[in-house]
Amino acid sequence: DAMVIQNPRYQVTQFGKPVTLSCSQTLNHNVMYWYQQKSSQAPKLLFHYYDKDFNNEADTPDNFQSRRPNTSFCFLDIRSPGLGDAAMYLCATSTKIAPGTNNEQFFGPGTRLTVL
Amino acid sequence: GENVEQHPSTLSVQEGDSAVIKCTYSDSASNYFPWYKQELGKRPQLIIDIRSNVGEKKDQRIAVTLNKTAKHFSLHITETQPEDSAVYFCAASRGGSTLGRLYFGRGTQLTVWP
Repeated sequence: DAMVIQNPRYQVTQFGKPVTLSCSQTLNHNVMYWYQQKSSQAPKLLFHYYDKDFNNEADTPDNFQSRRPNTSFCFLDIRSPGLGDAAMYLCATSTKIAPGTNNEQFFGPGTRLTVL
Repeated sequence: GENVEQHPSTLSVQEGDSAVIKCTYSDSASNYFPWYKQELGKRPQLIIDIRSNVGEKKDQRIAVTLNKTAKHFSLHITETQPEDSAVYFCAASRGGSTLGRLYFGRGTQLTVWP
Protein backbone atom coordinates (compact mmCIF):
# COMPACT_ATOMS: atom_id res chain seq x y z
CA ASP A 1 0.00 0.00 0.00
CA ALA A 2 1.18 3.54 -0.73
CA MET A 3 2.06 5.22 2.52
CA VAL A 4 4.31 7.44 4.60
CA ILE A 5 6.83 5.49 6.66
CA GLN A 6 8.89 6.77 9.55
CA ASN A 7 11.87 5.11 11.17
CA PRO A 8 12.51 4.47 13.90
CA ARG A 9 9.15 4.59 15.67
CA TYR A 10 10.89 5.20 18.99
CA GLN A 11 14.26 6.84 19.44
CA VAL A 12 16.14 7.35 22.68
CA THR A 13 19.17 9.62 22.69
CA GLN A 14 21.36 11.31 25.21
CA PHE A 15 21.45 15.02 25.85
CA GLY A 16 23.64 16.59 23.16
CA LYS A 17 24.04 13.43 21.08
CA PRO A 18 23.06 13.98 17.42
CA VAL A 19 20.13 12.01 16.12
CA THR A 20 18.60 11.51 12.67
CA LEU A 21 14.98 10.63 12.00
CA SER A 22 13.91 9.34 8.61
CA CYS A 23 10.78 9.52 6.52
CA SER A 24 10.01 7.78 3.27
CA GLN A 25 6.96 7.85 1.05
CA THR A 26 5.61 5.77 -1.78
CA LEU A 27 2.96 8.33 -2.74
CA ASN A 28 5.30 10.21 -5.11
CA HIS A 29 4.20 13.47 -3.50
CA ASN A 30 6.34 16.50 -4.21
CA VAL A 31 5.79 18.23 -0.89
CA MET A 32 7.12 16.84 2.39
CA TYR A 33 6.73 18.34 5.86
CA TRP A 34 8.28 17.82 9.28
CA TYR A 35 6.22 18.59 12.38
CA GLN A 36 7.06 18.52 16.06
CA GLN A 37 4.20 17.55 18.37
CA LYS A 38 4.53 17.80 22.13
CA SER A 39 2.10 16.22 24.52
CA SER A 40 -1.42 17.67 24.34
CA GLN A 41 -0.38 20.21 21.71
CA ALA A 42 -1.03 20.71 18.02
CA PRO A 43 1.60 19.69 15.48
CA LYS A 44 4.07 22.52 14.92
CA LEU A 45 5.61 22.85 11.46
CA LEU A 46 9.42 22.83 11.44
CA PHE A 47 10.13 22.85 7.68
CA HIS A 48 8.78 21.73 4.36
CA TYR A 49 10.12 20.90 0.94
CA TYR A 50 8.57 21.47 -2.45
CA ASP A 51 10.64 19.04 -4.47
CA LYS A 52 14.14 20.13 -3.44
CA ASP A 53 13.19 23.67 -2.46
CA PHE A 54 13.59 23.97 1.29
CA ASN A 55 11.34 26.21 3.41
CA ASN A 56 12.28 26.86 7.00
CA GLU A 57 9.79 28.18 9.54
CA ALA A 58 11.05 31.39 11.12
CA ASP A 59 10.89 29.98 14.65
CA THR A 60 12.53 26.61 13.94
CA PRO A 61 15.69 26.41 16.05
CA ASP A 62 19.05 26.16 14.28
CA ASN A 63 19.53 22.88 16.12
CA PHE A 64 17.13 21.30 13.61
CA GLN A 65 18.25 20.58 10.05
CA SER A 66 16.67 18.67 7.21
CA ARG A 67 17.75 16.88 4.06
CA ARG A 68 15.80 15.59 1.12
CA PRO A 69 18.11 13.58 -1.14
CA ASN A 70 15.31 12.47 -3.47
CA THR A 71 11.53 12.54 -3.84
CA SER A 72 10.99 9.54 -1.60
CA PHE A 73 13.15 10.33 1.40
CA CYS A 74 13.43 13.15 3.89
CA PHE A 75 15.57 13.31 7.04
CA LEU A 76 15.38 15.36 10.20
CA ASP A 77 18.70 15.94 11.95
CA ILE A 78 18.81 17.22 15.51
CA ARG A 79 22.38 18.31 16.06
CA SER A 80 22.42 18.63 19.83
CA PRO A 81 19.17 17.40 21.36
CA GLY A 82 18.03 19.06 24.55
CA LEU A 83 15.44 17.89 27.04
CA GLY A 84 12.97 20.29 25.44
CA ASP A 85 13.28 18.49 22.12
CA ALA A 86 11.60 15.37 23.45
CA ALA A 87 8.45 15.06 21.38
CA MET A 88 6.68 13.15 18.63
CA TYR A 89 8.07 14.03 15.21
CA LEU A 90 5.61 13.67 12.38
CA CYS A 91 6.39 13.56 8.69
CA ALA A 92 3.66 14.41 6.20
CA THR A 93 3.35 14.60 2.43
CA SER A 94 1.04 16.25 -0.03
CA THR A 95 0.83 16.89 -3.72
CA LYS A 96 0.47 20.36 -5.13
CA ILE A 97 -1.58 20.08 -8.25
CA ALA A 98 -2.02 23.70 -9.22
CA PRO A 99 -1.40 27.16 -7.79
CA GLY A 100 -4.06 28.17 -5.32
CA THR A 101 -5.13 24.62 -4.54
CA ASN A 102 -4.53 22.77 -1.34
CA ASN A 103 -4.48 19.06 -0.91
CA GLU A 104 -4.70 16.59 1.92
CA GLN A 105 -1.60 16.03 3.97
CA PHE A 106 -0.85 12.38 4.68
CA PHE A 107 0.90 11.82 7.97
CA GLY A 108 3.35 9.11 8.91
CA PRO A 109 3.03 7.25 12.23
CA GLY A 110 5.61 9.48 13.88
CA THR A 111 8.86 8.94 15.76
CA ARG A 112 8.71 9.45 19.50
CA LEU A 113 11.99 10.96 20.64
CA THR A 114 13.15 10.63 24.24
CA VAL A 115 16.16 12.65 25.45
CA LEU A 116 17.92 11.39 28.54
CA GLY B 1 0.49 34.73 9.69
CA GLU B 2 -2.68 32.79 10.27
CA ASN B 3 -4.03 32.24 13.79
CA VAL B 4 -6.49 29.42 14.40
CA GLU B 5 -8.44 29.26 17.66
CA GLN B 6 -10.26 26.05 18.62
CA HIS B 7 -12.91 25.47 21.29
CA PRO B 8 -13.58 23.68 23.50
CA SER B 9 -10.32 22.08 24.57
CA THR B 10 -12.18 19.13 26.08
CA LEU B 11 -15.64 17.78 25.33
CA SER B 12 -17.48 14.90 26.96
CA VAL B 13 -20.71 13.55 25.54
CA GLN B 14 -22.92 10.53 26.04
CA GLU B 15 -22.99 7.92 23.33
CA GLY B 16 -25.64 8.85 20.77
CA ASP B 17 -25.47 12.57 21.48
CA SER B 18 -24.02 15.14 19.07
CA ALA B 19 -20.68 16.87 19.44
CA VAL B 20 -19.72 20.26 18.01
CA ILE B 21 -16.22 21.72 17.84
CA LYS B 22 -15.68 25.28 16.67
CA CYS B 23 -12.71 27.05 15.13
CA THR B 24 -12.02 30.61 14.08
CA TYR B 25 -9.29 31.85 11.79
CA SER B 26 -7.75 35.24 11.16
CA ASP B 27 -6.47 35.24 7.56
CA SER B 28 -9.22 36.02 5.08
CA ALA B 29 -7.04 34.49 2.34
CA SER B 30 -7.33 31.01 3.91
CA ASN B 31 -9.36 28.80 1.60
CA TYR B 32 -8.92 25.22 2.79
CA PHE B 33 -10.07 23.87 6.16
CA PRO B 34 -9.33 20.25 7.06
CA TRP B 35 -10.20 18.40 10.24
CA TYR B 36 -7.89 15.72 11.59
CA LYS B 37 -8.61 13.00 14.13
CA GLN B 38 -5.73 11.73 16.23
CA GLU B 39 -6.13 8.71 18.46
CA LEU B 40 -3.69 8.26 21.32
CA GLY B 41 -0.23 7.46 20.00
CA LYS B 42 -1.35 7.41 16.38
CA ARG B 43 -0.96 9.65 13.37
CA PRO B 44 -3.41 12.45 12.58
CA GLN B 45 -5.88 11.33 9.95
CA LEU B 46 -8.03 13.53 7.78
CA ILE B 47 -11.71 12.97 8.47
CA ILE B 48 -13.28 15.77 6.44
CA ASP B 49 -12.28 19.00 4.76
CA ILE B 50 -14.00 21.97 3.19
CA ARG B 51 -12.93 24.61 0.71
CA SER B 52 -13.94 28.23 0.80
CA ASN B 53 -16.33 27.96 -2.13
CA VAL B 54 -18.59 25.64 -0.14
CA GLY B 55 -20.65 26.41 2.97
CA GLU B 56 -21.29 22.90 4.22
CA LYS B 57 -20.07 19.38 3.60
CA LYS B 58 -21.34 16.13 5.04
CA ASP B 59 -19.97 12.61 5.18
CA GLN B 60 -22.24 10.16 7.02
CA ARG B 61 -22.20 11.20 10.70
CA ILE B 62 -19.68 13.99 10.20
CA ALA B 63 -20.36 17.45 8.83
CA VAL B 64 -18.40 20.65 8.57
CA THR B 65 -19.81 24.15 8.13
CA LEU B 66 -17.93 27.24 7.05
CA ASN B 67 -18.87 30.89 7.51
CA LYS B 68 -16.37 32.92 5.50
CA THR B 69 -17.78 36.26 6.55
CA ALA B 70 -17.38 35.48 10.23
CA LYS B 71 -14.21 33.45 9.62
CA HIS B 72 -15.32 30.42 11.53
CA PHE B 73 -15.89 26.76 10.78
CA SER B 74 -17.30 23.92 12.84
CA LEU B 75 -17.19 20.15 13.02
CA HIS B 76 -20.42 18.34 13.83
CA ILE B 77 -20.50 14.68 14.81
CA THR B 78 -23.93 13.13 15.21
CA GLU B 79 -24.85 9.84 16.90
CA THR B 80 -21.48 9.72 18.61
CA GLN B 81 -19.89 6.37 19.40
CA PRO B 82 -17.12 5.45 21.87
CA GLU B 83 -14.73 4.99 18.93
CA ASP B 84 -15.13 8.67 18.13
CA SER B 85 -13.11 9.39 21.27
CA ALA B 86 -9.89 11.09 20.15
CA VAL B 87 -8.24 14.49 19.78
CA TYR B 88 -9.63 16.52 16.90
CA PHE B 89 -7.60 19.26 15.25
CA CYS B 90 -8.92 21.91 12.91
CA ALA B 91 -6.58 23.65 10.50
CA ALA B 92 -6.58 26.43 7.95
CA SER B 93 -4.49 26.87 4.85
CA ARG B 94 -4.21 29.09 1.81
CA GLY B 95 -2.80 28.42 -1.60
CA GLY B 96 -0.26 30.32 -3.59
CA SER B 97 3.34 30.18 -2.46
CA THR B 98 2.59 28.71 0.95
CA LEU B 99 2.48 25.17 -0.46
CA GLY B 100 -0.54 24.25 1.58
CA ARG B 101 1.03 25.07 4.94
CA LEU B 102 -1.46 24.09 7.64
CA TYR B 103 -2.08 26.25 10.68
CA PHE B 104 -3.51 24.00 13.39
CA GLY B 105 -5.81 24.75 16.26
CA ARG B 106 -4.80 23.49 19.71
CA GLY B 107 -7.04 20.45 19.53
CA THR B 108 -10.17 19.19 21.28
CA GLN B 109 -10.12 16.03 23.38
CA LEU B 110 -13.48 14.36 22.71
CA THR B 111 -14.61 11.63 25.08
CA VAL B 112 -17.73 9.64 24.28
CA TRP B 113 -19.12 7.76 27.26
CA PRO B 114 -21.01 4.51 26.59
